[in-house]
Amino acid sequence: AQSVSQHNHHVILSEAASLELGCNYSYGGTVNLFWYVQYPGQHLQLLLKYFSGDPLVKGIKGFEAEFIKSKFSFNLRKPSVQWSDTAEYFCAVNLFSGGYNKLIFGAGTRLAVHP
Amino acid sequence: GAVVSQHPSRVICKSGTSVKIECRSLDFQATTMFWYRQFPKQSLMLMATSNEGSKATYEQGVEKDKFLINHASLTLSTLTVTSAHPEDSSFYICSAASTSGRRGGELFFGEGSRLTVL
Repeated sequence: AQSVSQHNHHVILSEAASLELGCNYSYGGTVNLFWYVQYPGQHLQLLLKYFSGDPLVKGIKGFEAEFIKSKFSFNLRKPSVQWSDTAEYFCAVNLFSGGYNKLIFGAGTRLAVHP
Repeated sequence: GAVVSQHPSRVICKSGTSVKIECRSLDFQATTMFWYRQFPKQSLMLMATSNEGSKATYEQGVEKDKFLINHASLTLSTLTVTSAHPEDSSFYICSAASTSGRRGGELFFGEGSRLTVL
């Protein structure tokens, strides 16, 4: 079955620490990959996306992610986090199969950044 | 950016009644709309995919007779929870994609609708 796994459910960091959130998916076909962020009390927003081309994609607010096809991974990184990055992060994979799109989310990672 | 509006944002109903939630794409035509359900402190669970001009595709375990989805036009999709029960209480989120096919999947999300069934 198609699935998306996020390895870290809760991450606590101090400001200026580096961040890496893992995401793996299970699907053998063509995928588009996304990271969404949900700040407290707000709805989901797109951080970055990968469709094709350079597997290292840069998103908003200093985030980047690298698509490693052989590992079915799309890990999110940020070299130096800020308190304002406290949020929940969702990895999502879009499958295009049989003429239809289906976007599947990982369980999410709750990030808390302490000043 | 693209805007998706969801209504109502909160609804409280009695057990056994039906509730309709609307999802509108305000400034683009959505060929595909998705309905998700989010349980407290959990991720979004895809319920169904609605493609304009065809029937919704339901995920395994989602009762299509209980959660009726109608993609009435390129800007409107509705989710009707029929004969609601307390276990249907949840946060329902719709999203819309302005493109489909190989560049599909970039979604714009509604604000969500919190359903409480008494």
